Amino acid sequence: AAGVIQSPRHLIKEKRETATLKCYPIPRHDTVYWYQQGPGQDPQFLISFYEKMQSDKGSIPDRFSAQQFSDYHSELNMSSLELGDSALYFCASTPHGGNTGELFFGEGSRLTVL
Amino acid sequence: DAKTTQPPSMDCAEGRAANLPCNHSTISGNEYVYWYRQIHSQGPQYIIHGLKNNETNEMASLIITEDRKSSTLILPHATLRDTAVYYCIARKPLEYGGSQGNLIFGKGTKLSVKP
Repeated sequence: AAGVIQSPRHLIKEKRETATLKCYPIPRHDTVYWYQQGPGQDPQFLISFYEKMQSDKGSIPDRFSAQQFSDYHSELNMSSLELGDSALYFCASTPHGGNTGELFFGEGSRLTVL
Repeated sequence: DAKTTQPPSMDCAEGRAANLPCNHSTISGNEYVYWYRQIHSQGPQYIIHGLKNNETNEMASLIITEDRKSSTLILPHATLRDTAVYYCIARKPLEYGGSQGNLIFGKGTKLSVKP
């Protein structure tokens, strides 16, 4: 079965650079979530989108922005990168606006900021 | 969403049942209990959820106490591949004022299955 696809899987950036992560949800899933997981930390919710509109916002820094496109894929844009942004970034998708609470996660994108 | 409390770590012998407890004493009547697990550095994986009845699927069983203040996730025959961090999450559905499905992960239980 198709899963959530994230790209790139690994990314290395310098401080103050910009990075973009992409997420392709499972077909027919209309809701996308972004989570950040720092070293030794639990996943922290950043932001979610339902039918291309932002549906919920968590602890996403102002330097980060995200959007969901007409084909339901989503991109997380991170600017002025800091060392503390080094983390695993997970995308998850779910159908029907997420009412079931069963989220399907991708394998993550590992961002390293040097 | 109600706060949940789990032991930080547990060990289990391979082939034995793993019983992971979760306390959610402040859970409201319309909040479901969800269990996810995260194998090292992989994306979290949904296991099971329930409201008040016990639930079973191909992965696990979920036992919820009658007063709903606690629950236990049971892996009937743990294998080495079940070594992971297990998260218990209380969540209110959208129709009862819950958020758009996002899950808030707290401190889970690190389960180590040993040969």
